Amino acid sequence: GQNIDQPTEMTATEGAIVQINCTYQTSGFNGLFWYQQHAGEAPTFLSYNVLDGLEEKGRFSSFLSRSKGYSYLLLKELQMKDSASYLCAVRDSNYQLIWGAGTKLIIKP
Amino acid sequence: IAGITQAPTSQILAAGRRMTLRCTQDMRHNAMYWYRQDLGLGLRLIHYSNTAGTTGKGEVPDGYSVSRANTDDFPLTLASAVPSQTSVYFCASSDSGTGGADTQYFGPGTRLTVL
Repeated sequence: GQNIDQPTEMTATEGAIVQINCTYQTSGFNGLFWYQQHAGEAPTFLSYNVLDGLEEKGRFSSFLSRSKGYSYLLLKELQMKDSASYLCAVRDSNYQLIWGAGTKLIIKP
Repeated sequence: IAGITQAPTSQILAAGRRMTLRCTQDMRHNAMYWYRQDLGLGLRLIHYSNTAGTTGKGEVPDGYSVSRANTDDFPLTLASAVPSQTSVYFCASSDSGTGGADTQYFGPGTRLTVL
């Protein structure tokens, strides 16, 4: 079967750095996505990785290792508005997205 | 309209009733999707359409049907609602549905409760 694993919840302090991990086992791989979802709102796109390595976009970076079936999302200089759920999704061999359950990130002052 | 709209925002429905959730996008995207999101689970794909006139089944299609008569609209119908269909439903669209970055953009969601 196909599986995406992420921690259920993480807590971090405002101004700090946090790393959210995602491991996957899917039938085929055609890219990995990270989305942010604030409570009661729609998911919004953060990043896309298809090759191994780090993609940096402002305070957010995403890393991929295809051989290990592993990705992480790194958030720097945390702000209170970063309190949200972060969703990892992998595009499989049928070009459909398989979604993790999401990691709820709580930022404390 | 900017992006994707969904209607209604929320609905309480008696079991056995028929219900259509509406979704409209103005980005001229070829591909559209319907997901349900339940607590503790990832988004699950119900149905999708890679282009107007075609549809396909996702992971959890039973009890749902869709149509794609034109590029902009992708309604989801529950023929006879059951309590297990209580969920938040998200419609999404993407440019091609066939690879590359092909980012999916989401509507605001419909919160459906079936009693």
